[in-house]
Amino acid sequence: EAQVTQNPRYLITVTGKKLTVTCSQNMNHEYMSWYRQDPGLGLRQIYYSMNVEVTDKGDVPEGYKVSRKEKRNFPLILESPSPNQTSLYFCASSPPGASYNEQFFGPGTRLTVL
Amino acid sequence: AQSVTQLGSHVSVSEGALVLLRCNYSSSVPPYLFWYVQYPNQGLQLLLKYTSAATLVKGINGFEAEFKKSETSFHLTKPSAHMSDAAEYFCAVSAYFGNEKLTFGTGTRLTIIP
Repeated sequence: EAQVTQNPRYLITVTGKKLTVTCSQNMNHEYMSWYRQDPGLGLRQIYYSMNVEVTDKGDVPEGYKVSRKEKRNFPLILESPSPNQTSLYFCASSPPGASYNEQFFGPGTRLTVL
Repeated sequence: AQSVTQLGSHVSVSEGALVLLRCNYSSSVPPYLFWYVQYPNQGLQLLLKYTSAATLVKGINGFEAEFKKSETSFHLTKPSAHMSDAAEYFCAVSAYFGNEKLTFGTGTRLTIIP
């Protein structure tokens, strides 16, 4: 089944404790992206990747890192999480031409930083 | 630069009534426009998209949207609401040229009244 998977689905952590949220897709998509969803703000792009070893900042990249060493994986790293990073996070992927193609979303990761 | 405005963060309609969710966009270049739906505790899935072909776009589950350049609008409609339509709906815009970034609106939560 074609899908985007994220792990973990739920995570509660404390301020300053490094964490990684994994994202993997099995559709051989070049484009991958991370979003955060907050009430009243919709989805905002954190980082995106056009292909392996090609990443760029989205609208809200502060406090986050990403890497794209393999085509299928695009982990999101929070090196020193803070409470304002409590949010619902979505990973998405798309074939080339993400501007006009459908983006396929993972099920989301709900992160709480205490 | 591009942006999306969704009028009405919450919309309630009776079962069987017309659904109208409003979306206005701003884009300095020809846009691509999307509507995504998010059911409770799930990721987003594509309802429909406009990519400069027909201005009236039909999507899944009986939804359609009309691109009106003069009004910079892309409103989502469905003639007869069903209980299963209860969800959050997001309008999104991307640029015809550029970094393939998708900019989302803040979302509209649709409630169906039995």
